[in-house]
Amino acid sequence: DVKVTQSSRYLVKRTGEKVFLECVQDMDHENMFWYRQDPGLGLRLIYFSYDVKMKEKGDIPEGYSVSREKKERFSLILESASTNQTSMYLCASRKDDQDTEAFFGQGTRLTVV
Amino acid sequence: AQSVTQLDSQVPVFEEAPVELRCNYSSSVSVYLFWYVQYPNQGLQLLLKYLSGSTLVKGINGFEAEFNKSQTSFHLRKPSVHISDTAEYFCAVSDQSSYNTDKLIFGTGTRLQVFP
Repeated sequence: DVKVTQSSRYLVKRTGEKVFLECVQDMDHENMFWYRQDPGLGLRLIYFSYDVKMKEKGDIPEGYSVSREKKERFSLILESASTNQTSMYLCASRKDDQDTEAFFGQGTRLTVV
Repeated sequence: AQSVTQLDSQVPVFEEAPVELRCNYSSSVSVYLFWYVQYPNQGLQLLLKYLSGSTLVKGINGFEAEFNKSQTSFHLRKPSVHISDTAEYFCAVSDQSSYNTDKLIFGTGTRLQVFP
């Protein structure tokens, strides 16, 4: 069974802290994505990666960075967390074919206080 | 770039009634379309996808969707819903604007609430 695993389901951090959200996939997919989900706004793409050490900005990259040192792992980094980054974060992976679906992790609900 | 519009943010319905969740996308060029479901406190899982061929696509849990190129729509339907269908539903389109890979662009979601 295919799997995308996010390291935490719930996370509480203080304003100004550096936050790492980790995501691992076991499907040997080339592409990995970080989305942010907020009520009424749906899923918005933060960053994605199409290969090891390669990344591209999504629609809302401000305040975030990413790291992909290994194919199976894609990390989202909040350099200095702020309260407006309180949200649900979803990681996804996808094979490098147009007609394939993305597979999602369970999500990390981050609260910044 | 592509965009997706889900016209209804919430759809309340009684159990065993039919339901349609609407989705429109922005471009008329070749597209790949997807419907995902998200149950409470879970990630998204695929319901169905349209790639090519027959415009009526059948998915899991009795859902189906119809691709209409002239109206740029991909509405999701179920003839008789269950309480267990209560969830958020997302329509997505494959966006080919990046040189490096295709991204999935999502709509804002429709919350389906089924009442007994």
